[in-house]
Amino acid sequence: GAGVSQSPSNKVTEKGKDVELRCDPISGHTALYWYRQSLGQGLEFLIYFQGNSAPDKSGLPSDRFSAERTGGSVSTLTIQRTQQEDSAVYLCASSLALGQNSPLHFGNGTRLTVT
Amino acid sequence: EDQVTQSPEALRLQEGESSSLNCSYTVSGLRGLFWYRQDPGKGPEFLFTLYSAGEEKEKERLKATLTKKESFLHITAPKPEDSATYLCAVKGSQGNLIFGKGTKLSVKP
Repeated sequence: GAGVSQSPSNKVTEKGKDVELRCDPISGHTALYWYRQSLGQGLEFLIYFQGNSAPDKSGLPSDRFSAERTGGSVSTLTIQRTQQEDSAVYLCASSLALGQNSPLHFGNGTRLTVT
Repeated sequence: EDQVTQSPEALRLQEGESSSLNCSYTVSGLRGLFWYRQDPGKGPEFLFTLYSAGEEKEKERLKATLTKKESFLHITAPKPEDSATYLCAVKGSQGNLIFGKGTKLSVKP
């Protein structure tokens, strides 16, 4: 079946502009996660959703970052007033549930470049 | 604080030269240790989950093992197509995965 789909695959934006990244999880997966991967760095956890709810937003790097999920499916990560340090690959993952027997399945990410 | 450390950062092998990758972790109550493979320009691909010390999982030339403090990913007689970055992660209290920085494996023919 279809995997996790992310769009766009690449995004180049000017400093100060807002960007919106989209994630379409695997059908039936209730948990959805956003990560950021910078060059030479590990995957940095940003936020997760169980259904439409995000219980803990403390992983978001700043208040310029926000995320929402509607209908228990598609999620969007919005970055306002982008800065050069926001340049990274943003990865989305989904899993059947938050339980320990549910591995995360990742999309191929959105590569964001802020000029 | 939950933490994952992987070593070495990079590993270069000749085809057929077996080796092991290390993942050491500190976590308050292990809820699962995960291995992923990541190819350039792609998202991480799930390989294994291990839950308890002594557990082993195998897939083709890969075998993952788990102790109370670390996990090993053993690669037997690797081929060039095994070249990738291998990521280790533990499940955090929120259900998210906490990743190490990975080991970049290069297998030369």
